[in-house]
Amino acid sequence: DAQMTQSPSTLSASVGDRVTFTCRASQGINNWLAWYQQKPGKAPKLLIYKVSSLENGVPSRFSGSGSGTEFTLTISSLQPDDFATYYCQEYNNYSGTFGQGTKVEIK
Amino acid sequence: QVQLQESGPGLVKPSQTLSLTCTVSGGSITSGDYYWSWIRQLPGKGLEWIGYISYSGKTYYNPSLKSRVTISIDTSNNQFSLKLSSMTAADTAVYYCARATRLGQLALGYWGQGTQVTVSS
Repeated sequence: DAQMTQSPSTLSASVGDRVTFTCRASQGINNWLAWYQQKPGKAPKLLIYKVSSLENGVPSRFSGSGSGTEFTLTISSLQPDDFATYYCQEYNNYSGTFGQGTKVEIK
Repeated sequence: QVQLQESGPGLVKPSQTLSLTCTVSGGSITSGDYYWSWIRQLPGKGLEWIGYISYSGKTYYNPSLKSRVTISIDTSNNQFSLKLSSMTAADTAVYYCARATRLGQLALGYWGQGTQVTVSS
């Protein structure tokens, strides 16, 4: 199974900022990559699957990109509801390893 | 709309086996070859995938937990279950059940609210 490394661990940003964070896989994952948002005390929420496919109901300010072993999640204009922790997950070959998360904090 | 709900003991003694059940509502667990999953979150930590099961019973487990994990499915009661043996304090976590967002994907689009499990004597 691939190891997933997210960076940065914490990101301080303001409402309206464009923010990008990265997820790197230790080996190829055939683009089987998802992004989740989690708020304290709540279950994770799927944002993006298969690198760049937007889950139903997720605002279009969220986008995913990448290939091979490097992937990014971008929020085009940060909204107050977006302050949360974001996790990537690889699910190649029926695995499910998560990255350690990136926490987006208010600057 | 599919909904999932975890149930089970909130407190488990060391060395015991944890048994959790995920009850699915709003749809049949057999309506399509979706994958169902268990995930946990250790206190103040990130997410750890435990395993998947399909409605036909195919299972895939996290290698680090494989020797202690069994996931099973009960189609007659629209449930799937997790058993984790030889529990220690390191297994104290919030346990979530989840379902793949759509056929052909393992990304998890439907989640239960999570259940806290504490390991203590």
